[in-house]
Amino acid sequence: EVQVVESGGGLVKPGGSLRLSCAASGFTFRSFNMNWVRQAPGKGLEWVSSINSRSNSIYYADSVKGRFTISRDNANNSLYLQMNSLRAEDTAVYYCARVLGGGSAGYDYFDYWGQGTLVTVSS
Amino acid sequence: DIQMTQSPSSLSASVGDRVTITCRASQSISSYLNWYQKKPGKAPKVLIYGASSLQSGVPSRFSGSGSGTDFALTISSLQPEDFATYYCQQSYSSPYTFGQGTKLEIK
Repeated sequence: EVQVVESGGGLVKPGGSLRLSCAASGFTFRSFNMNWVRQAPGKGLEWVSSINSRSNSIYYADSVKGRFTISRDNANNSLYLQMNSLRAEDTAVYYCARVLGGGSAGYDYFDYWGQGTLVTVSS
Repeated sequence: DIQMTQSPSSLSASVGDRVTITCRASQSISSYLNWYQKKPGKAPKVLIYGASSLQSGVPSRFSGSGSGTDFALTISSLQPEDFATYYCQQSYSSPYTFGQGTKLEIK
């Protein structure tokens, strides 16, 4: 059974740091691109960052660029998000999501999501 | 970045109704358009990928259409479990941006 499980969320003060982890199981992790997506309280889904299977193609949303770093450890089936210089507006549930290329044209979509981990940035 | 705009932002409907949610991209994205369902406290769930392909296990009352810049998600006969928030997402180019969401509520 495919599973992705996030951890590492919590309460942190503005300007602080936090490292989120996503443990993957039930599939060949090293073969899949992965993403982080967040949802702030009462807001919509916001894509945060993506990393391809080999870690040589990485993207960030403008809102987190320069503060967040995505990485992965294929040997340990894990995805990470290092979050520095946290702001109140980073408060959200953070989801880890697997990317699947579907159909003959390889349409990317997020097929498996974790249950999310809550990050609260507050003094 | 490609901007995705959904309409309406919210919608009230009854069980058994046919509803359509639209999504417009700021530039052509071919058929690289996905639809997700989000319920409070739950992970998002993909319904449609590639604009019109139904994800395995998703009921056939859900359908997607469109290409280029204009897309639609249609639910043919609303069921009680369908009341949720729906998001479109483009996967034509990074960042894979989402629409702002459409909240489907019970009338």
